[in-house]
Amino acid sequence: AQTVTQSQPEMSVQEAETVTLSCTYDTSESNYYLFWYKQPPSRQMILVIRQEAYKQQNATENRFSVNFQKAAKSFSLKISDSQLGDTAMYFCAFMKPYSYSGAGSYQLTFGKGTKLSVIP
Amino acid sequence: ETGVTQSPTHLIKTRGQQVTLRCSSQSGHNTVSWYQQALGQGPQFIFQYYREEENGRGNFPPRFSGLQFPNYSSELNVNALELDDSALYLCASSPQGFGGNTIYFGEGSWLTVV
Repeated sequence: AQTVTQSQPEMSVQEAETVTLSCTYDTSESNYYLFWYKQPPSRQMILVIRQEAYKQQNATENRFSVNFQKAAKSFSLKISDSQLGDTAMYFCAFMKPYSYSGAGSYQLTFGKGTKLSVIP
Repeated sequence: ETGVTQSPTHLIKTRGQQVTLRCSSQSGHNTVSWYQQALGQGPQFIFQYYREEENGRGNFPPRFSGLQFPNYSSELNVNALELDDSALYLCASSPQGFGGNTIYFGEGSWLTVV
């Protein structure tokens, strides 16, 4: 079974500064997907960024980028130019697509989350 | 706005009762999954449905069951409610042939069992 560990329960960052959230995972699979999701107080889970394990290039989405170290099983999220709207819970998630009865089953395994507060 | 809607948003049930939660998937998404998120925890996978059949299940007892309808909407049913079932229940939809495409989540249904 896969496990995802987020070792930072809470973090804070000054507005406009940069912050990095850590995530490690454990798997014996070679092909998988990794995600960072944001969950604001509204509770809706919003995709921040996605990384395919077979791609060596780190994913980037505007102010959000990842440092994917496959051998170390590490997947950290860097948020640049932090904004007040970035305040939320951030979850790292792992997915190994597999075939079940001829159809893919897409089970996400989440970490426990990091609560990020952006301070004005 | 993800196009995934859930109802009800909040409800309170008594231990031993049964509850049904509903989810309307994003248009064109034929795969739906359900997650349980206890307070202060990450979501836990309950099960997934594709073309009206369960095709993946997490570590949840049989009293958690589901349905998917021809229009791809879905229900989560929980029988014999226990206090530990109190949680946010999230529905997520995705297109078949996922290949790493986005999974869209609804805003969840808050269930409190007293």
